[in-house]
Amino acid sequence: GEDVEQSLFLSVREGDSSVINCTYTDSSSTYLYWYKQEPGAGLQLLTYIFSNMDMKQDQRLTVLLNKKDKHLSLRIADTQTGDSAIYFCAESRSNTGKLIFGQGTTLQVKP
Amino acid sequence: DAGVIQSPRHEVTEMGQEVTLRCKPISGHNSLFWYRQTMMRGLELLIYFNNNVPIDDSGMPEDRFSAKMPNASFSTLKIQPSEPRDSAVYFCASSFFRGSNEKLFFGSGTQLSVL
Repeated sequence: GEDVEQSLFLSVREGDSSVINCTYTDSSSTYLYWYKQEPGAGLQLLTYIFSNMDMKQDQRLTVLLNKKDKHLSLRIADTQTGDSAIYFCAESRSNTGKLIFGQGTTLQVKP
Repeated sequence: DAGVIQSPRHEVTEMGQEVTLRCKPISGHNSLFWYRQTMMRGLELLIYFNNNVPIDDSGMPEDRFSAKMPNASFSTLKIQPSEPRDSAVYFCASSFFRGSNEKLFFGSGTQLSVL
């Protein structure tokens, strides 16, 4: 299909790890992205991974990429209440400059 | 840089009225995108421009929607006539397109309510 798929909701306790999953469609996507949207704001780029990598770590964030299964995940270690937001994965459609976003996963962090 | 600037921040209008949303991309960026966000449909790409030229408008819902980019520092999205189902948050984003790794920078959005 044409869609980038994500689960809609995830709830975790403060201090736990969060894992947000995504499946994408275009096997020729060169970069895959994670964006964060806080209430009332636009999307902000969190991190991205090049398609020839299978893992990227950036402080509390770990991105895993399974290119064979077209599966992307974002792990947030030691989740804080400030991490509560909507998280979007996105794929870049080859050489077009446009990003196709998933429907977003709402992360709720309980104190 | 001030980032991507959108105006107005909120717009409330009546069905049938014309609505114009405005966007100023980040200086030096050569690609501009208009997205629409709703609870039901998520984030939809409406149209995007590269070097002020519309490249893909396949996401524009219907002829009531039009977008222009008269120069590198300004774009508009117009809805005429507006309908209640157009109520959504409209985001503008810009990037510097080099053929790979398109990091989009988003504005804060325009919350549109059509009564």
